[in-house]
Amino acid sequence: EVQLVESGGGLVQPGGSLRLSCAASGFTFTSFSMSWVRQAPGKGLEWVANINHDASDKYYVDSVKGRFSISRDNSRNSLYLQMNSLRGEDTAVYYCARVYWIEPRPGHFDYWGQGTLVTVSS
Amino acid sequence: QSALTQPASVSGSPGQSITISCTGTSSDVGSYELVSWFQQHPGKAPKLMIFEVTKRPSGVSNRFSGSKSGNTASLTISGLQAEDEGDYYCCSYAGSSTLVFGGGTKLTVL
Repeated sequence: EVQLVESGGGLVQPGGSLRLSCAASGFTFTSFSMSWVRQAPGKGLEWVANINHDASDKYYVDSVKGRFSISRDNSRNSLYLQMNSLRGEDTAVYYCARVYWIEPRPGHFDYWGQGTLVTVSS
Repeated sequence: QSALTQPASVSGSPGQSITISCTGTSSDVGSYELVSWFQQHPGKAPKLMIFEVTKRPSGVSNRFSGSKSGNTASLTISGLQAEDEGDYYCCSYAGSSTLVFGGGTKLTVL
């Protein structure tokens, strides 16, 4: 059974940093691209970042470029999101999602974690 | 990276059919057969309902179907049931390995 479990969320002040983690199990982690998707309170879903299977390619939504960094450790079956220079508008539930890649591009998100809440506030 | 356009809300009675539209541009929905749809219940993670415009994952009811014409994709739910109530989001590949979601549609079963 595919499982994705996020952790690392919490309350952080504007301008601060936070690192989210996602522990994957139930599938061959090294064979799949992964993503982070976020959802602000009462709002819709927003794709944040993609990383391919071997971390050689990374892509970001414009609003987080230069502030967020996606990474993975295939030896630990783990996905990460380093978030720096956090702003109030980054407040959201952050979901880890597996990407079904349809060469040469991402197709859809087929499995999701339960999410971790990040609150940016003073 | 502009969000796809969905109606804010739709409603229907049990047994009826409803359709949710998802309008993008020639840079996303109109250029790729990579539209997916997600169902989300309050406090829960999104669930994949349709992928590659028309395909259903194993375990998803055949009451759910997808289509696309030009820059607009659609999700149709037939034989509406109370358990179908929730939020629905479309998602499309948008080029350069990026993806974009719609703003979401709240489905109410009357």
